Amino acid sequence: KQEVTQIPAALSVPEGENLVLNCSFTDSAIYNLQWFRQDPGKGLTSLLLIQSSQREQTSGRLNASLDKSSGRSTLYIAASQPGDSATYLCAVGANSKLTFGKGITLSVRP
Amino acid sequence: DTAVSQTPKYLVTQMGNDKSIKCEQNLGHDTMYWYKQDSKKFLKIMFSYNNKELIINETVPNRFSPKSPDKAHLNLHINSLELGDSAVYFCASSQYIATEQFFGPGTRLTVL
Repeated sequence: KQEVTQIPAALSVPEGENLVLNCSFTDSAIYNLQWFRQDPGKGLTSLLLIQSSQREQTSGRLNASLDKSSGRSTLYIAASQPGDSATYLCAVGANSKLTFGKGITLSVRP
Repeated sequence: DTAVSQTPKYLVTQMGNDKSIKCEQNLGHDTMYWYKQDSKKFLKIMFSYNNKELIINETVPNRFSPKSPDKAHLNLHINSLELGDSAVYFCASSQYIATEQFFGPGTRLTVL
């Protein structure tokens, strides 16, 4: 059974800091990994999708990496801004579904 | 021009009632999903449909019955609502099974 872990559950950083959010999963038989952002009371916004054959994907200030063999992914956020404050969810795709971690709630202080 | 839409956004009802949540996607995708986000914000798959065929039923009570009248729609009907059904329900879609998923805005269900 796939398990996805995101630690820590919450993170607070000052504006401008570069930061890394970690995600680990137990079963490496995945076809993709997706990072999402969720604002309070809102839906999920897809940030980056990495296919199992890829090592990383970039979009603006975001860079996501995938090491399938070790069951790890990281989301790198450069030059963080208060508008980046949200919950970041990692989800691994396998067996026709996404399995989610519990998310990391990020607070970027001005 | 919303990609994945759900109605209603909020649903407040009494225990024992029957209710439905509707989902529509205008992305031309083949696969649609229902996820449940509980009070601890944990998201879990409930159902997955591909080309109107059920492919995943993740040990959901049979009080929950999804229906896909066509590829663009996946509705969720819930019978005999219980307090524990209170959650946010998200619909999602993807082009095919192993591709990027796009989520709707969610339906917050409160059972009193």
